Amino acid sequence: NAGVMQNPRHLVRRRGQEARLRCSPMKGHSHVYWYRQLPEEGLKFMVYLQKENIIDESGMPKERFSAEFPKEGPSILRIQQVVRGDSAAYFCASSPLGQGAYEQYFGPGTRLTVT
Amino acid sequence: RKEVEQDPGPFNVPEGATVAFNCTYSNSASQSFFWYRQDCRKEPKLLMSVYSSGNEDGRFTAQLNRASQYISLLIRDSKLSDSATYLCVVSYSTLTFGKGTMLLVSP
Repeated sequence: NAGVMQNPRHLVRRRGQEARLRCSPMKGHSHVYWYRQLPEEGLKFMVYLQKENIIDESGMPKERFSAEFPKEGPSILRIQQVVRGDSAAYFCASSPLGQGAYEQYFGPGTRLTVT
Repeated sequence: RKEVEQDPGPFNVPEGATVAFNCTYSNSASQSFFWYRQDCRKEPKLLMSVYSSGNEDGRFTAQLNRASQYISLLIRDSKLSDSATYLCVVSYSTLTFGKGTMLLVSP
């Protein structure tokens, strides 16, 4: 049973470009979560999605960030017009059931570097 | 007050030592509690869930005190491979992570 897959593992973007991060949940998991970890900081919740629905986006910055989890294909976290402060590790997690009551399993992360 | 607070660390201990991590949380409505482990530049991995009755998994023991909003993790007979950052995680609707406490086990 493959774990949570994320790609790319490393992504370098220049300021002003767009970054697209992909996440495929574990087989049988329909709940996806995105987290951001800034250097020397803890993980911060960004958004929680089920297929075709955003359930909780209370941790998403108001501008430039968006997320989707289409009926087919991976979940996508999109960052438009990246700035240096967006440099971080972005982790995706999945769980079989939602509402935060269940363990979440993390992917290896995408390390975004904005130059 | 931070939502989840942990000992700042790092903890430097010799192999074989017993080490305890403490964690407090602010949301009394929190439903679930976990300890995760994160190795340098890797993803967090679930170490164990924490139950009110306390639970043990080999050398690891976790305790939860809901009245005090306090969680602990005890590691007995530390191994070199236990060196990592230990994350206290509390769940209400989503997971809230503490900043973590780094453990360094030396020979």
